[in-house]
Amino acid sequence: AQSVTQLGSHVSVSEGALVLLRCNYSSSVPPYLFWYVQYPNQGLQLLLKYTTGATLVKGINGFEAEFKKSETSFHLTKPSAHMSDAAEYFCAVSDWMDSSYKLIFGSGTRLLVRP
Amino acid sequence: EAQVTQNPRYLITVTGKKLTVTCSQNMNHEYMSWYRQDPGLGLRQIYYSMNVEVTDKGDVPEGYKVSRKEKRNFPLILESPSPNQTSLYFCASSFPTGRGTDTQYFGPGTRLTVL
Repeated sequence: AQSVTQLGSHVSVSEGALVLLRCNYSSSVPPYLFWYVQYPNQGLQLLLKYTTGATLVKGINGFEAEFKKSETSFHLTKPSAHMSDAAEYFCAVSDWMDSSYKLIFGSGTRLLVRP
Repeated sequence: EAQVTQNPRYLITVTGKKLTVTCSQNMNHEYMSWYRQDPGLGLRQIYYSMNVEVTDKGDVPEGYKVSRKEKRNFPLILESPSPNQTSLYFCASSFPTGRGTDTQYFGPGTRLTVL
């Protein structure tokens, strides 16, 4: 069965610093991987996803993630943090069959950005 | 504007009092799903629907019911709410690719407190 582990429930960075949020997955089949962001009092919004092809995926707001099969990882990065990036971030893997579909989420990482 | 709407956004109720949380999407999506979000656990799927009149259990279905009589609506019903159903609930929808690569679109969430 698929699963997702996010290391660090809270990550704090200074404005302008590198953002690195870690995600490792377990999957018995080639995975489809997602990063979602949740701003305060809002629903989840897709940042980026990996399905097939290029392993470096670019998303919205300057975020990107690299799929590394050998490390079973899909870490999210952004070169320079902005105050508006403060939110909770969820990594997810797709679990699907012919008659069922769901996202399996990690426990989330709350990103704090210090001025 | 393409969106998933949920009502109510906030609800405080008492044990045993039946309630319904509505979910509606205007994107003509076939797939809809309910998740609950609890601290440290991420989001977990409650029920999902691949199409009208087709629903199935997710990972945590106990104490919940759903119906899918029309494509746009997917209400979540708690027949006899209990305090352990206090949570943040999200409805999501997508146009299924049949390969698990769908982007799910989330509603703004419903924060439910059961006393």
